[in-house]
Amino acid sequence: DAKTTQPTSMDCAEGRAANLPCNHSTISGNEYVYWYRQIHSQGPQYIIHGLKNNETNEMASLIITEDRKSSTLILPHATLRDTAVYYCIVRSWLSNSGYALNFGKGTSLLVTP
Amino acid sequence: KAGVTQTPRYLIKTRGQQVTLSCSPISGHRSVSWYQQTPGQGLQFLFEYFSETQRNKGNFPGRFSGRQFSNSRSEMNVSTLELGDSALYLCASSPRAPGTVNYEQYFGPGTRLTVT
Repeated sequence: DAKTTQPTSMDCAEGRAANLPCNHSTISGNEYVYWYRQIHSQGPQYIIHGLKNNETNEMASLIITEDRKSSTLILPHATLRDTAVYYCIVRSWLSNSGYALNFGKGTSLLVTP
Repeated sequence: KAGVTQTPRYLIKTRGQQVTLSCSPISGHRSVSWYQQTPGQGLQFLFEYFSETQRNKGNFPGRFSGRQFSNSRSEMNVSTLELGDSALYLCASSPRAPGTVNYEQYFGPGTRLTVT
């Protein structure tokens, strides 16, 4: 699976959009980009995933660059409850490693009043 | 639909003992994975089951084992507990079958194990 690079931490004001970047310059054609988040002391929560097109759901939007070497998770109107560690994961559905996810260190997002 | 449930939520054991943790996946999910989370190592993959078969195993010693039942419920066992086994143990289920395009995992709240 391709390696991902995320900033260690970010701040965002409540009500503003939170844009979380992820670099995955070695991504291959069959690898998807997944985003999860983990609020303190809870299990990780699936947010969104995509291959090459931009994706949107009720939680967030995922913007993937045309060359697929980077992506941005957008929380359009951040709330205090969005304070969490956000993980960007690249995973191939062709992998022989089944469903195992490599979470890495993630980005610690702090939403402030 | 009920989420992934894990029991117990908290557990305190002493060194040398063994422990069994239980996970019930979301109804209809047949794939179950287990992860260990510690402050130092982060989230690390333990093993994955689908249709009662272990499909993949992480880099953990043989003291860590698991199984899956015909109703997709899963258990993991840790024998001869060590202090370093203190961690949050997370179970995740997936609606997808292995080899299908894209998949996501849904995590339970975890079992907090403390070894003294």
